[in-house]
Formats: sequence, structure tokens, C-alpha cells
Amino acid sequence: GAGVSQSPRYKVAKRGQDVALRCDPISGHVSLFWYQQALGQGPEFLTYFQNEAQLDKSGLPSDRFFAERPEGSVSTLKIQRTQQEDSAVYLCASSLALSGTGAEKLFFGSGTQLSVL
Amino acid sequence: GESVGLHLPTLSVQEGDNSIINCAYSNSASDYFIWYKQESGKGPQFIIDIRSNMDKRQGQRVTVLLNKTVKHLSLQIAATQPGDSAVYFCAEGQAGTALIFGKGTTLSVSS
Repeated sequence: GAGVSQSPRYKVAKRGQDVALRCDPISGHVSLFWYQQALGQGPEFLTYFQNEAQLDKSGLPSDRFFAERPEGSVSTLKIQRTQQEDSAVYLCASSLALSGTGAEKLFFGSGTQLSVL
Repeated sequence: GESVGLHLPTLSVQEGDNSIINCAYSNSASDYFIWYKQESGKGPQFIIDIRSNMDKRQGQRVTVLLNKTVKHLSLQIAATQPGDSAVYFCAEGQAGTALIFGKGTTLSVSS
């Protein structure tokens, strides 16, 4: 594909509902990142995968957040029992390089805008 | 904690002017810095990066300056165009860690 694809583009959830956000990275990209972006703020790191291995999940705000990338390609970010404070844009990014080599050029998707009512 | 931030939340310029967007950082151990542009409804787009062992790097119409003495980073955009209107973020990184983004500066270009 031409770029990182995220779906759905918009998601409205009732408080307490579970949601699943999908990310299709650029084909062949080894690294995949999830970021959360609150309105008017910069993206904040949630978690990182290198192929199928989740190497860093230190940014996940609670155990209600779970991410997976079982085959080292598509990734899903799941949020259980959503709360109003989970409302944000969830951005996925992929990179050809292995994290740790420095200055990876991250390619971002357009994000999923989650609104929890 | 250590973080990356920007001096001004908004910057308004006239078309054709040069724009300078500033960023102050606090983590002296950062290996590299990246500027991203984010248009409304889109994800951040890579503009230019600079490693910590450099003090200047030029791209197409953009220049990034790094002053490690005062921990300051700037993005200069030459001959600013309406299409440059967006939110600009600086981000810092170290080997083995994820990028940390600042809060962003909204650039508005009027014609």
C-alpha cells in the first residue's frame, strides 16, 4: 500500500464499551508504534513492536489497553471498558528500521479519532 | 521529567516571508531530533531530522539548527506558502527509546 492505513477513521463508543483499532503498516516495515494524541497536544507514545514482538509497552496508560501484532504486520490496539478520558486520536506509525538505530523515519497513518460518550 | 517543548503555540506569517519555529529540549542525552508537520485530520509527516553531532542541516526550503549549548532547536522555512499552514512538532529520540514529541506550534500563513 501507499502508506500506513488505520481503521476506523472515527469511532464513537459509549462509556464501558470495548473498542478495537486497526493499523496496516507499510509493507515490509519492521517497527510499528502506537501513539495517543489528545486535542491540541503532541503525540504520546503508547507501545512499540519489532515484527511480532512487543518490545515496549511502557506508555500504555492502564491495563485496559492492549495491543497485538501476531504476524508481524497488522496491529490492533484494544481498549476495554472505555472511559471518557480515553477520547483522543490514536496514531499508528511504522518504520523500516529497527528501533534503536536512531533517527528512524516514522510514517504515520491518519489516525483513529475515538470519542467516548 | 525531561520533555521536549516549543516556545510559542502559534505563529502567523505572510506568504513569502521566512518562518522560524523554535523548540527547547531538556534531555542532553538525545541522539537526534526530528521536525514533523501535521495538517488537520492527518498524521504527522516527517520534514527533516538532525543528529546531535551536527548543528545545521538543510533540506528543500527548510533548515534545522541545533544549539546544544542552550538546548535549542529551530526550524526555518524559506518563502513560506499557504500550504505550509499546519501544526509543527519537534521530537527527540535516543537509541532504544521511542520518540518524544513536544506540544506543537500552529503556523498560519496568510496570502
